[in-house]
Amino acid sequence: SQQGEEDPQALSIQEGENATMNCSYKTSINNLQWYRQNSGRGLVHLILIRSNEREKHSGRLRVTLDTSKKSSSLLITASRAADTASYFCATDAGSYIPTFGRGTSLIVHP
Amino acid sequence: KAGVTQTPRYLIKTRGQQVTLSCSPISGHRSVSWYQQTPGQGLQFLFEYFSETQRNKGNFPGRFSGRQFSNSRSEMNVSTLELGDSALYLCASSVGTGGYGYTFGSGTRLTVV
Repeated sequence: SQQGEEDPQALSIQEGENATMNCSYKTSINNLQWYRQNSGRGLVHLILIRSNEREKHSGRLRVTLDTSKKSSSLLITASRAADTASYFCATDAGSYIPTFGRGTSLIVHP
Repeated sequence: KAGVTQTPRYLIKTRGQQVTLSCSPISGHRSVSWYQQTPGQGLQFLFEYFSETQRNKGNFPGRFSGRQFSNSRSEMNVSTLELGDSALYLCASSVGTGGYGYTFGSGTRLTVV
């Protein structure tokens, strides 16, 4: 069963715009991670944020975590066509096994 | 630095057959996990291995099994294949267990006919 659920399911934007994806989860977590998957390929790790952290940055990516609301967001600034992919959040609790959501499908139009 | 290598990339099998998938983790990574990805169920956790020991197992029938060797390479086996086993099987490695990011392989696309 999925722990994290991404919202929206699909997002379509123009190059240069910002893309924001959200992840909500149900139980307390140790860590939350974001991954990207290009069609039919393996997942690429983007950012890991621990439960005691509130915000992390990596290049054009910004991740926030609000444990009181059990939610996280991934912001991609100045999107490029190459950012077109599915984005997944993964949460881990007691066993530290990441449980993945269904993903947000992002399309960036050139 | 080589990434996670999964072989084969594609596989077509007949119902009732068995299949073995292989995964070579990044050098120095001792933890290997396996996931099944389908359009209907998304990414589902299969197993986690660390130092040749299965540490965690997902909710899959006993037809799904795996192992890890002393060099950290891992294999998973599915016996008596069913049509519903058609999926992308992903292997991921990490330096250890407990709160590390995964490096995924490109996956093995299994089709059962």
